[in-house]
Amino acid sequence: EAQVTQNPRYLITVTGKKLTVTCSQNMNHEYMSWYRQDPGLGLRQIYYSMNVEVTDKGDVPEGYKVSRKEKRNFPLILESPSPNQTSLYFCASSLSPGTRAGEKLFFGSGTQLSVL
Amino acid sequence: AQSVTQLDSQVPVFEEAPVELRCNYSSSVSVYLFWYVQYPNQGLQLLLKYLSGSTLVKGINGFEAEFNKSQTSFHLRKPSVHISDTAEYFCAVSGKGAQKLVFGQGTRLTINP
Repeated sequence: EAQVTQNPRYLITVTGKKLTVTCSQNMNHEYMSWYRQDPGLGLRQIYYSMNVEVTDKGDVPEGYKVSRKEKRNFPLILESPSPNQTSLYFCASSLSPGTRAGEKLFFGSGTQLSVL
Repeated sequence: AQSVTQLDSQVPVFEEAPVELRCNYSSSVSVYLFWYVQYPNQGLQLLLKYLSGSTLVKGINGFEAEFNKSQTSFHLRKPSVHISDTAEYFCAVSGKGAQKLVFGQGTRLTINP
């Protein structure tokens, strides 16, 4: 089954404790992206990747890092989480060249992060 | 830059009634337009999209949307809703050639029996 898998589904942590949210897709998609969803703000893009070793900032990249060492994986790293990063996070993927050609995004089920 | 405004944060309707969820966008370039749906505790999935051609686009689950370039709108409609349509709906726009999909704030559709 074609899918985007995120882990963990729920995560509670404390300020400053490094964490990684994993994302993996089995569709051989070149394009992958991370979004955060906050009430009243919709989804905002954090980072995206056009292919292996190619990443770029979205609208809200501060406090986040990503890497793309393999095509299927696109982890989101919070080096020093803060309470304002409490949010619902979604990973998404699509065929190349991604949204600039109107490609459909496939979303993971989300990771609810709480930073205390 | 593109932006999207969904004019209603919540829309309550009765089962089998028609519904329209409104979406307006702004962009200085030609755009692609999308509607995504998020069922409770799930990720988003594509309902329909407009790339070019006919301005009336049909999607899954009986939904359709009409692209109106002069009014910069892309409203979503369904003639008769079901309880299972309860979800949050997101309008999104991507400028042609731009590597970013901009989402609206979302509209929560609640269907009452």
